[in-house]
Amino acid sequence: GQNIDQPTEMTATEGAIVQINCTYQTSGFNGLFWYQQHAGEAPTFLSYNVLDGLEEKGRFSSFLSRSKGYSYLLLKELQMKDSASYLCACMDSNYQLIWGAGTKLIIKP
Amino acid sequence: IAGITQAPTSQILAAGRRMTLRCTQDMRHNAMYWYRQDLGLGLRLIHYSNTAGTTGKGEVPDGYSVSRANTDDFPLTLASAVPSQTSVYFCASSDPGLGDTDTQYFGPGTRLTVL
Repeated sequence: GQNIDQPTEMTATEGAIVQINCTYQTSGFNGLFWYQQHAGEAPTFLSYNVLDGLEEKGRFSSFLSRSKGYSYLLLKELQMKDSASYLCACMDSNYQLIWGAGTKLIIKP
Repeated sequence: IAGITQAPTSQILAAGRRMTLRCTQDMRHNAMYWYRQDLGLGLRLIHYSNTAGTTGKGEVPDGYSVSRANTDDFPLTLASAVPSQTSVYFCASSDPGLGDTDTQYFGPGTRLTVL
């Protein structure tokens, strides 16, 4: 079956760095997405990886290892506004997104 | 408007009633999707449409129907609502033709409660 696993909740301190991991098992692979979702709002796109390696976008970076079925989202210089859920999603062989349940990130001052 | 709009924002519905959730996008995206989001679960695909005039079933299609008469609109209908359909519903769109990322963009959601 298809499965996306990510931690349910993480806590970090303002100004610090946090890494949110995601492991996946899907039928085929056409890329991995990370989305941010603030409480009561819609998911918004953060990053996309289809090749192995690190993609950097400002304070956010995303890493992919296809051979390990593993990705992580790295958030640097954490700000209070980064408190949100982070959703990992894989695009399968039918180009449909399979979603993880999300990781709720709590930032403490 | 810019992006995707959904209506209503929220709704309380009696079981057995019929309900249509509306979704409109102005980005001229070919593909549109309906998801439901429940606490502790990932987004689950209900129905999708790769282009106007075509629709397909997702992971959890039972009890729901969709139509895609034109590019912009993708309504979701609950023919006879049941309490298990209480959820937050998100509409999304994407356009693979814009590049190889096929990024999905989401509407603000409809919070539906079925009593």
